[in-house]
Amino acid sequence: EVQLLESGGGLVQPGGSLRLSCAASGFTFDSYAMSWVRQAPGKGLEWVSSISNSGDTTPYADSVKGRFTISRDSSKNTLHLQMNSLRAEDTAVYYCVKCGGTCQYNRFDVWGQGTLVTVSS
Amino acid sequence: DIQLTQSPSFLSASVGDRVTITCRASQGISNYLAWYQQKPGKAPKLLIYAASTLQSGVPSSFSASGSGTEFTLTISSLQPEDFGAYYCQQLNSYPLTFGGGTKVEIK
Repeated sequence: EVQLLESGGGLVQPGGSLRLSCAASGFTFDSYAMSWVRQAPGKGLEWVSSISNSGDTTPYADSVKGRFTISRDSSKNTLHLQMNSLRAEDTAVYYCVKCGGTCQYNRFDVWGQGTLVTVSS
Repeated sequence: DIQLTQSPSFLSASVGDRVTITCRASQGISNYLAWYQQKPGKAPKLLIYAASTLQSGVPSSFSASGSGTEFTLTISSLQPEDFGAYYCQQLNSYPLTFGGGTKVEIK
């Protein structure tokens, strides 16, 4: 069974940093692109970033560009999101997502349960 | 960036009703569109990809169509378990944007 398990969320002060992780299992991690999607409380879905299966392509939403870094560790089947210079508007549930192959031209076919990030003083 | 406009934003319907949700793209996206269902407190679930392909395990009461800039998701006979929010997403170009969502309530 394909599973994605996020961790690393929590309460952080504005300007602080947090690193999210997503442990993947049940599929060949190296063969699939991955993404992060977030959802602010009571709001809709917002794509944050994606990473190709090889890790060499990493597009970002303008709202996080220069502050967030997506990466993957194939030896541990783990996806990461390093979040720096956090703002109140980054408060959201962050979902780890497996893409159907690539992400572009494809689909987001498996979602983790999400991890809540709260940015507040 | 490609904007996706969903309508309606909210709908209330009875069990057995036929329900249609529309998603319009600000520019052509071929058939690179997916639909997701999200229940309160849960992660989204993929229903449809490539505009009209039903994801494995999704009931055949769900169907979708469209190409270019206009897309529809149809539930042929609304069931109690179909409540929740529905989102379209374009996968034609980055950023991979989502529509604003349609909240479906069972009367």
